Amino acid sequence: DAGVIQSPRHEVTEMGQEVTLRCKPISGHDYLFWYRQTMMRGLELLIYFNNNVPIDDSGMPEDRFSAKMPNASFSTLKIQPSEPRDSAVYFCASRRGRSSYNEQFFGPGTRLTVL
Amino acid sequence: LAKTTQPISMDSYEGQEVNITCSHNNIATNDYITWYQQFPSQGPRFIIQGYKTKVTNEVASLFIPADRKSSTLSLPRVSLSDTAVYYCLVNDYKLSFGAGTTVTVRA
Repeated sequence: DAGVIQSPRHEVTEMGQEVTLRCKPISGHDYLFWYRQTMMRGLELLIYFNNNVPIDDSGMPEDRFSAKMPNASFSTLKIQPSEPRDSAVYFCASRRGRSSYNEQFFGPGTRLTVL
Repeated sequence: LAKTTQPISMDSYEGQEVNITCSHNNIATNDYITWYQQFPSQGPRFIIQGYKTKVTNEVASLFIPADRKSSTLSLPRVSLSDTAVYYCLVNDYKLSFGAGTTVTVRA
């Protein structure tokens, strides 16, 4: 398996533009997580899905952020409109099963820069 | 959810053993202890997990005393490539990472 795949790896955009980050989880994994990492706030959980259904989006910073999982092999995180404070590395991760006993696999991340 | 406390940073030299202790005083009976490692510019990766006593794999050892209120991750004979952030989590299925411990290995 190729692991968790994220695209793009780097994104530079201007304030006010829409940004869409993409993730392909590992086949057979039923949990998908989106994280954001910055120097100031560390690694934060934004939202997670189980069987394509959003379970907890309490970490989503505001309404400008939205996430979807239309099927088991694809998820998107959208920011509209983007702001400079959204600049961060965004990670997608997937896991088989709810228990933390199961290993969680992270993608390489998308480095977002909003000018 | 068991809260964990670990040192913010640790420095070491190549060839030394590094031990990182994580406190989790309110760990529940069924909780596992899991450690993740994050290299710069990469996502975290699972390195080891345990419930009690000692667990060892090709990367690290995990020591858990009988009361399970703490655990120690041991990295034997570290090299420069072991410089990373190490996170301790206790039965946290959402994997809410804290600040972790930044381990810096110097030549």
